[in-house]
Amino acid sequence: AQTVTQSQPEMSVQEAETVTLSCTYDTSESDYYLFWYKQPPSRQMILVIRQEAYKQQNATENRFSVNFQKAAKSFSLKISDSQLGDAAMYFCAYRHGDDKIIFGKGTRLHILP
Amino acid sequence: DTGVSQDPRHKITKRGQNVTFRCDPISEHNRLYWYRQTLGQGPEFLTYFQNEAQLEKSRLLSDRFSAERPKGSFSTLEIQRTEQGDSAMYLCASSFGRRGEKLFFGSGTQLSVL
Repeated sequence: AQTVTQSQPEMSVQEAETVTLSCTYDTSESDYYLFWYKQPPSRQMILVIRQEAYKQQNATENRFSVNFQKAAKSFSLKISDSQLGDAAMYFCAYRHGDDKIIFGKGTRLHILP
Repeated sequence: DTGVSQDPRHKITKRGQNVTFRCDPISEHNRLYWYRQTLGQGPEFLTYFQNEAQLEKSRLLSDRFSAERPKGSFSTLEIQRTEQGDSAMYLCASSFGRRGEKLFFGSGTQLSVL
C-alpha cells in the first residue's frame, strides 16, 4: 500500500527567510503524481504545487519549489521569502494515476514576524 | 462562486442521532470524493464516485456510514447512530477524473458529537 510520511509536525521560520518541509512516500508504482496542499485556518485545501513522477525537472510556482528525489522517494517543499500568509498546515500527497489522493499527516508552519 | 460547496459548515449532534451532509461539486466534474479529517491529522479517504457510481469505499467506513450521488451531481453523506469518535471535519472534493489532476476541495463540514 502507498504511504506518505511527514516527519515534522511543526516548523517555524522567520518572515522573509526560507524553509523546507520534508516528505517521503512509499510506492511500487511508476505512474504517480505528488502534491503539496496548503490548509489555512479557513480550512479549505489549496493546491500549492504538483509534480509528475516521470518528469525529472523539479516543479516551481513563484516562491514555492520542490526537491523531487525519485530514487529516494523524497519530495520536499521549499518556501522562499516566507510571508505571514504562508502560515498554515501543509500536506504532502500522492496519487497513482486517476486513483484517490493519499495525504500525509501534515506539517504546521508558523511564520515569525 | 463555482467552487465546491458543503452544507452545513458546522453540525452539533447528540450521540445516537443521525446526521446528513451535502456536497455540491463543481458542475463539470465527474468525480466526487469524501474525506474525513481529525484534529492534527491529514485527510483520510472515505469514498468516491464517478458520476453516480460509487467506485471505492474505505475499509474505515463502517456500516453506519452511507454516501449517495443519485444523479451524478450533488452527494450526501449520512452517518447513522453517531458516536463521539465520529467527531471530525468531513471534506468533499471533486475533479474531472483525469490522471494526476488535482482535487478541488470544499471548506468542509465540522461535526461535533456530544
